[in-house]
Amino acid sequence: EAEVAQSPRYKITEKSQAVAFWCDPISGHATLYWYRQILGQGPELLVQFQDESVVDDSQLPKDRFSAERLKGVDSTLKIQPAELGDSAMYLCASSPQTTRDTQYFGPGTRLTVL
Amino acid sequence: QQPVQSPQAVILREGEDAVINCSSSKALYSVHWYRQKHGEAPVFLMILLKGGEQKGHEKISASFNEKKQQSSLYLTASQLSYSGTYFCGTGGNLLTQGGSEKLVFGKGTKLTVNP
Repeated sequence: EAEVAQSPRYKITEKSQAVAFWCDPISGHATLYWYRQILGQGPELLVQFQDESVVDDSQLPKDRFSAERLKGVDSTLKIQPAELGDSAMYLCASSPQTTRDTQYFGPGTRLTVL
Repeated sequence: QQPVQSPQAVILREGEDAVINCSSSKALYSVHWYRQKHGEAPVFLMILLKGGEQKGHEKISASFNEKKQQSSLYLTASQLSYSGTYFCGTGGNLLTQGGSEKLVFGKGTKLTVNP
């Protein structure tokens, strides 16, 4: 069964450092999502791609976060510089077309900022 | 607007039933239900779409009341493996969410099933 791949699974960094997360969606899925999940809360959408285009990045802190999906396949989420409040689980998900489709989540990257 | 889930937590004995509710203040076009175990990614359970279409697992059922802007997830004859946190994600459309169809997730309902 096809799965969403993410790496790394865990990342510990010091504040002011740069970090990057990678996501490879299920083959053929046009829509890719990056979510941030704080412990005890539901996932919060950071950015949504349709193919290589950004559909929604209204909750992305653009002064420090950036995301790209250059060829419409895999994607990278970057934080520079990291702050203590960025400690969270970063989840990537993909769906065939729109948000009316099932979203399949990857295992996530647990980020700890010291 | 974040949907409101109730109850926040529920404890069951194996074999008992449970209902988890999800309410929104905005018109709903889709409701997605996920279960997440500690330290793991959310796993898809059910999707309900405006118009009555449903997709999901055989052993889980759900309802979608468009008029009341509510959805309920029904877990019957619970098993130990049902333990986890259940999230609903509500989707609007381009007209109701300022140009975005994104899912907004609730804070979750923690379900514990004991032997």
